Amino acid sequence: EVVMTQSPASLSVSPGESATLSCRASQIVARNLAWYQQKPGQAPRLLIYGASTRATGVPARFSGSGSGTEFTLTISSLQSEDFAVYYCQQYNNWPLLTFGGGTTVEIK
Amino acid sequence: QLQLQESGPGLVKPSETVSLTCTVSGDSLSSSSFYWGWIRQPPGKGLEWIGIIYSTGSTYYNPSFKGRATISLDTPKNQFSLKLNSVTAADTAIYFCARDQVREGPFGYWGQGTLVTVSS
Repeated sequence: EVVMTQSPASLSVSPGESATLSCRASQIVARNLAWYQQKPGQAPRLLIYGASTRATGVPARFSGSGSGTEFTLTISSLQSEDFAVYYCQQYNNWPLLTFGGGTTVEIK
Repeated sequence: QLQLQESGPGLVKPSETVSLTCTVSGDSLSSSSFYWGWIRQPPGKGLEWIGIIYSTGSTYYNPSFKGRATISLDTPKNQFSLKLNSVTAADTAIYFCARDQVREGPFGYWGQGTLVTVSS
């Protein structure tokens, strides 16, 4: 099983600042890495796939990077609607899909 | 516009089988080129993939469920279902159905989720 580890577990950021979230895979997953955003009471929303491709309708302030085992999600100029939990997921080992434990982005 | 909607019993007793259904509109399960899946989330915790199914009926499961999970299609109703047997309190979770964004990729379309509570 590919274990996905996200850091930090939580992050306090002021509106307008940027946030950098990390995701590490226990083995190489190439660029088969996705990021999701989840708000309370809602289903996860796909933000990024292929490590850096934004899903339809996702604002340009969300950007993904990385390959192999180390990945980053950067949210520039955080808006109020961006405060949420973010999960990474690998699908390189499809169909054995695994998610990270999540990073909570909180208002500072 | 693709929409998915879960339905289920809400409350299940320990050791019983929970049956959940996902009703799909905007795509045809019988001819879709995508995979359809179930993911769960215990209250306050992270996401766990349960399994996926293709239009041919081929299925793949998370080994951690040790054969307790079964996913099936009902193509005339355009639904797919999850049965999870021998449930315990650890199976209490929100259960989501979803479809992949690109074939064999991440989940781009999700239902709103349905809470299943396992309690006597």
